[in-house]
Amino acid sequence: QLQLQESDPGLVKPSETLSLTCTVSGGSISNSNYYWGWIRQPPGRGLEWIGYIYYRGNTYYNPSLKSRVTISIDTSKNQFSLSLNSMTAADTAVYFCARHVYSNSLVNYWGQGTLVIVSS
Amino acid sequence: QSVLTQPPSVSAAPGQKVTISCYGSSSNIGNNYVSWYQQFPGAAPKLLVYENNKRPSGIPDRFSGSKSGPSATLGITGLQTGDEADYYCGTWDSSLSAGVFGGGTKLTVL
Repeated sequence: QLQLQESDPGLVKPSETLSLTCTVSGGSISNSNYYWGWIRQPPGRGLEWIGYIYYRGNTYYNPSLKSRVTISIDTSKNQFSLSLNSMTAADTAVYFCARHVYSNSLVNYWGQGTLVIVSS
Repeated sequence: QSVLTQPPSVSAAPGQKVTISCYGSSSNIGNNYVSWYQQFPGAAPKLLVYENNKRPSGIPDRFSGSKSGPSATLGITGLQTGDEADYYCGTWDSSLSAGVFGGGTKLTVL
């Protein structure tokens, strides 16, 4: 059974860079049918799409975050990662890693999520 | 401000039917598939409907999706108290080249 597990960075200080990793088990991240991406949800608010990556390294990012985001992939470890720099309190959220279907870009599987708090 | 517009809340009695709307534009819903997700407090969203009207295995047929032009609708029949959750629509926006979601709708089963 497919499992996506986010790493747990916990607390991040303002202006620092968030680094998150999603480990995929029960399926190959090199499967050509899927993108692998990140979505976040501030406390009490809705979902915000951050971006995704294909196993070949092609990336798409939310235009509102593009200047601060990098998503990378390590097929040898079956992992993909999110880097978000210049963190502020507005970036406090639950961050979900997610599998997207290649043919229509829709999310069809979610990790459990990890809460990231930006605070000094 | 979400790209897709959903009502903040809907409510209905147990056993009744409810619909949740999701309004977008030609750059998103109008020309791309829509998914619907159910989210309970403290949990990850769960896929309910994909490609406008298809249900993953294990999702009861009480849940249905439809799409017309730039809008989509999730229908839930035979409401149960266990259906109380937040519901989100999502799709791809071809102009933004990005995924987009609705702001979410809180369902209350009275």
